[in-house]
Parts: sequence; C-alpha cells; structure tokens
Amino acid sequence: AQSVTQLDSQVPVFEEAPVELRCNYSSSVSVYLFWYVQYPNQGLQLLLKYLSGSTLVKGINGFEAEFNKSQTSFHLRKPSVHISDTAEYFCAVSLKTSYDKVIFGPGTSLSVIP
Amino acid sequence: GAVVSQHPSRVICKSGTSVKIECRSLDFQATTMFWYRQFPKQSLMLMATSNEGSKATYEQGVEKDKFLINHASLTLSTLTVTSAHPEDSSFYICSASGDNYYEQYFGPGTRLTVT
Repeated sequence: AQSVTQLDSQVPVFEEAPVELRCNYSSSVSVYLFWYVQYPNQGLQLLLKYLSGSTLVKGINGFEAEFNKSQTSFHLRKPSVHISDTAEYFCAVSLKTSYDKVIFGPGTSLSVIP
Repeated sequence: GAVVSQHPSRVICKSGTSVKIECRSLDFQATTMFWYRQFPKQSLMLMATSNEGSKATYEQGVEKDKFLINHASLTLSTLTVTSAHPEDSSFYICSASGDNYYEQYFGPGTRLTVT
C-alpha cells in the first residue's frame, strides 16, 4: 500500500525567505502527487499536482514542486513567503488506477514570522 | 469552477441526537464524493467513499450504522451522525470528484460539537 511522509511537522520561516516543505512517498506503482493547503477552520485547496510530463510543477500562489522518481519525493518550494502563507500543508498521493483513494500525509504547519 | 459547499459550517447538538451534514457540488456533477474526519492538528482520515446511486464504501473501523451516507444525486451527498456522542465531535470535510477520481474538490468543512 502507498504511504506519504512529511518529515517536518512544523516549519517556521521569516517573511520573504525561501521555504521547502518535504514530502516522500512509498509505492510500488506509478502515482499521482498533490499538494494541498488548509487555512484555519477551512477545507483544503489544491496548490498543484503532478500527473505526468515535466517533473517541475508550478502551482498557485507562487508555489512549485519537483517530482523526483528515484528519491520518491515531491518537495514543495516557494522562493519568498508571505504572512498569508501561514497554513497547514498536506502532501497527497494516489495510485494511477481507477477507483482508488487519495492518501494524505500528516501535514506540515508553516508559520511565517514577520 | 469546481466549487463544493457544505452545510452547516458549525453545529452544536446534544448527546444522543442525530445531525445531518450536506455536501453539494455547485457547478459540476460529482461522480464520487468522499467524507473525511479531521482531528485537531492532524491529517484527514477518509471515512467513506460514495458513488451516486450506490451504497457507500466505508473504511475499516468506521461504523456504518453510526455514520449514514447518502448520495442520492450527482450534486448532493449527506452524512448523518446518528446518536451523536462527545467523542464524535470533530471537523468533517467532504470532497467531490468528477470523471477523474483523484482530482478532488473540497468543501469548507463542518465543525461538529456534541455536548
């Protein structure tokens, strides 16, 4: 079965500094990969997704992620964070088969310090 | 596009009563809807998957008789928490997908508090 690991439960970073949120997954077959953001007391919003093609994926709000098959990673990056980026970030994976479910990682809490 | 709404956003009920939460896809037809539960500072836990017109598929450990899911149309799914107890207090989130099951669009969530 597939699984998702987000090694950093909390990441504090100063405003305008770069940030990387790490995500690793395990799966014996090809997967789709996602990053979601959750603001307090709200649902999840899709930041970006990797389905196929270019391994560098650009998303909303200036975020991007790179799929590395050999390292089974899908790290999220932003070159300069804003206060408004403070939120919970979830990495998720799904097998490239029908009727399977999306598995979410434990989440990383990003805190942007003024 | 791809907007999912949930109602109510917050609900407080007494122990022993039942609560219904609605999940609607506003601008697309949702072939599949998912119900998640989220505890504070934790990730989402999938409770069940429902396809329109079919019985929901529950995850292991989720009580079918306690968490009743109905997906009567391509735009509406409901979750009813029956005989609610304080331990059922949680944040419940639904999501909906169309032809691509992996592209899920999430509702804003419902905060349930059982007193």
